[in-house]
Amino acid sequence: GAVVSQHPSRVICKSGTSVKIECRSLDFQATTMFWYRQFPKKSLMLMATSNEGSKATYEQGVEKDKFLINHASLTLSTLTVTSAHPEDSSFYICSAREGADYEQYFGPGTRLTVT
Amino acid sequence: GQNIDQPTEMTATEGAIVQINCTYQTSGFNGLFWYQQHAGEAPTFLSYNVLDGLEEKGRFSSFLSRSKGYSYLLLKELQMKDSASYLCAVMDSNYQLIWGAGTKLIIKP
Repeated sequence: GAVVSQHPSRVICKSGTSVKIECRSLDFQATTMFWYRQFPKKSLMLMATSNEGSKATYEQGVEKDKFLINHASLTLSTLTVTSAHPEDSSFYICSAREGADYEQYFGPGTRLTVT
Repeated sequence: GQNIDQPTEMTATEGAIVQINCTYQTSGFNGLFWYQQHAGEAPTFLSYNVLDGLEEKGRFSSFLSRSKGYSYLLLKELQMKDSASYLCAVMDSNYQLIWGAGTKLIIKP
């Protein structure tokens, strides 16, 4: 089956620093990638949708200058949390979709803790 | 607005059957998904319904009624490992997934 990897799985950083999270599709071409965040005991919240080679589409209320998304290739998307603050601490999950396929394949998630 | 409703929490006994309901109101419909999510892990795909009726896959079945905006996930022969959150999600007319808040299922021996 389709596999999506995410790196790192856990990261702790100091307030004010930036953190980059990578999302890779290992055995398929991810024409569309999605970035979600999830707070404890809450559902997934879509942050942005990115198509390979084009700018990401951000959901309302998500700061594009704070959460930089790059989808430079069909197998890699990155999310950079810039000038991280403790309230950015969350579980970040990416998912990927191939072409017009309906199913999204999820990465294992990245637990970000900002101290 | 778009809305997905599912119970917050359910409790069931090992070996029994449990039905998790989901109702939705979305702008357009391109299918309904059920995902399982264990604590601290990413969701894993369980089922996809786009036509009315029941889809059976082993111990899990999913039902859809588009006219009623309603779906359920049926879990049979419950096992302790089925303790997880179950997320209902609807793909809207823009092919975006609209997520429910999830139902935490607690299995007791």
